[in-house]
Amino acid sequence: NAGVTQTPKFQVLKTGQSMTLQCAQDMNHEYMSWYRQDPGMGLRLIHYSVGAGITDQGEVPNGYNVSRSTTEDFPLRLLSAAPSQTSVYFCASSYGDRGWVGELFFGEGSRLTVL
Amino acid sequence: RKEVEQDPGPFNVPEGATVAFNCTYSNSASQSFFWYRQDCRKEPKLLMSVYSSGNEDGRFTAQLNRASQYISLLIRDSKLSDSATYLCVVNRPDSNYQLIWGAGTKLIIKP
Repeated sequence: NAGVTQTPKFQVLKTGQSMTLQCAQDMNHEYMSWYRQDPGMGLRLIHYSVGAGITDQGEVPNGYNVSRSTTEDFPLRLLSAAPSQTSVYFCASSYGDRGWVGELFFGEGSRLTVL
Repeated sequence: RKEVEQDPGPFNVPEGATVAFNCTYSNSASQSFFWYRQDCRKEPKLLMSVYSSGNEDGRFTAQLNRASQYISLLIRDSKLSDSATYLCVVNRPDSNYQLIWGAGTKLIIKP
């Protein structure tokens, strides 16, 4: 029962470095998304996808790229890390087959620190 | 005004008591409403969806008040294991695929 798997769980970067957060789900969900969670704020949507080959921007997309080449995988790329990207990142998926998100299933989160 | 607002708490409640908290949302066109639960340093998990008619799941009851634009969560006979942060979630009216999350209400159940 893997569900949604995120790697790495912890990462420290220097300003300007790039990296990829990996996300994989084994539930055959069409909808996948990336959020960031900062203290005192609600989760904010970075990017989402409603199926392989389809991605769209959320509320805070700047500085991040995504791709969806398969149903299972939805990696998040930080192009040039900045201290403002220090956060906890969650990948989440759902069936999304009725024209709306429905119940989201989350990965365990990735804690990123940018120095 | 925030799109989704919650009292951050913490609500300190004795075990066995009833506790309720509300969440207000700004856009009257929102159609989907949820309560998620998040334990400390863990991922959010769906607690319950909120329907127009209200819904109940064991000790938990959720209500929607469209006129005043808020949703509520009532927890009866609270347990120590109910200690968590409760997140209110509403869909963005112009996109069913985008959700707006409140910052959460922290609940601490004391023995």
